[in-house]
Amino acid sequence: QKEVEQNSGPLSVPEGAIASLNCTYSDRGSQSFFWYRQYSGKSPELIMFIYSNGDKEDGRFTAQLNKASQYVSLLIRDSQPSDSATYLCAVTLSHTGTASKLTFGTGTRLQVTL
Amino acid sequence: GAVVSQHPSRVICKSGTSVKIECRSLDFQATTMFWYRQFPKKSLMLMATSNEGSKATYEQGVEKDKFLINHASLTLSTLTVTSAHPEDSSFYICSARWQGSYGYTFGSGTRLTVV
Repeated sequence: QKEVEQNSGPLSVPEGAIASLNCTYSDRGSQSFFWYRQYSGKSPELIMFIYSNGDKEDGRFTAQLNKASQYVSLLIRDSQPSDSATYLCAVTLSHTGTASKLTFGTGTRLQVTL
Repeated sequence: GAVVSQHPSRVICKSGTSVKIECRSLDFQATTMFWYRQFPKKSLMLMATSNEGSKATYEQGVEKDKFLINHASLTLSTLTVTSAHPEDSSFYICSARWQGSYGYTFGSGTRLTVV
């Protein structure tokens, strides 16, 4: 079983729709959860992080965490063509430990169509 | 915010030569630096964790003698790909977490092509 799992996609949504990206993780000790966006040939950029059960909203983005189900999701409202990218889910075992590594999922490729 | 500067951004080298990649933390002290490798259309795979003043910790399957990591100061970590071969061609990215932060900052990545 992979540590962090994501559907590779591509997930295709029309412009203006809601995109829903999902991620499951295997280590129950995981503490912090991250969503990164990565454009082709570029480094990942942080979209959101979450560490408490429930929802966390930031602009058009909402992260949802359910530790009991070991599940974290990202909703993108009013999807724009510029949102087309690969979205990486990542987890770490420590909230702020500088030596705590970040483990990535395989990423979901999102395509927002006109 | 915290910035990690990574150089070079692109490098092409001949098979059998060595290449050094540098990552510098510009406005914070990076006691730990993570080195990732990413093949096309694949996710980031952690290669090793470097700690200032001590030996790096390598992930299973990563050759220590091939991927030399040096973290001699709190602001500089280097990855040297020794005797590079075409199969080492990849995107290499460094990352660090600053003290007290939830987030990680990433370098801009190095595209290595071995011909």
